[in-house]
Amino acid sequence: NAGVTQTPKFRVLKTGQSMTLLCAQDMNHEYMYWYRQDPGMGLRLIHYSVGEGTTAKGEVPDGYNVSRLKKQNFLLGLESAAPSQTSVYFCASSYPARTGYGYTFGSGTRLTVV
Amino acid sequence: TQLLEQSPQFLSIQEGENLTVYCNSSSVFSSLQWYRQEPGEGPVLLVTVVTGGEVKKLKRLTFQFGDARKDSSLHITAAQPGDTGLYLCAGGGSNYKLTFGKGTLLTVNP
Repeated sequence: NAGVTQTPKFRVLKTGQSMTLLCAQDMNHEYMYWYRQDPGMGLRLIHYSVGEGTTAKGEVPDGYNVSRLKKQNFLLGLESAAPSQTSVYFCASSYPARTGYGYTFGSGTRLTVV
Repeated sequence: TQLLEQSPQFLSIQEGENLTVYCNSSSVFSSLQWYRQEPGEGPVLLVTVVTGGEVKKLKRLTFQFGDARKDSSLHITAAQPGDTGLYLCAGGGSNYKLTFGKGTLLTVNP
């Protein structure tokens, strides 16, 4: 049982380059989320999805795009990377609106933009 | 915007000591979750509390949800080096999104 799998685990980009982070979950969860974690800032929600084909903006969406073409996958794209996007990115999934069911997180992608 | 304040931000103790971490807000939450995050890994859910005044125990960890559902505490008895990590609280509302605190970084020295 893999849970939530994120790829890649590490990446270094040059300013202006683009990339896509992949998140895959095998728990049949409806909801999926992308967070970034920075020192002193905590976890901040970038985008989220409440089901296949739907996405919505979170707290810090600028510079990112997402897609959820399949229920099990949630992709995060950076079209033109900036140094301010250097961070650790986490994907998470959960059941919808069920108290007692927390988020299951992936192990993260450490991205450095130079 | 709902905010969760965690205290202390950093905590360094010796093995065998007891400690309490606090999570406070001016907002009411329908549930409160605690996660532990180890270096290089994602947060892992420890517990969810949903009823005001609720107390849950997980071995040496005791979690409490405030009566007004605005605050929570995590108490660890006889801390061990394996308890070292970042402890995050997260509040759930009427929607499907969690509000996370910034965390308490705990170091337990042998």
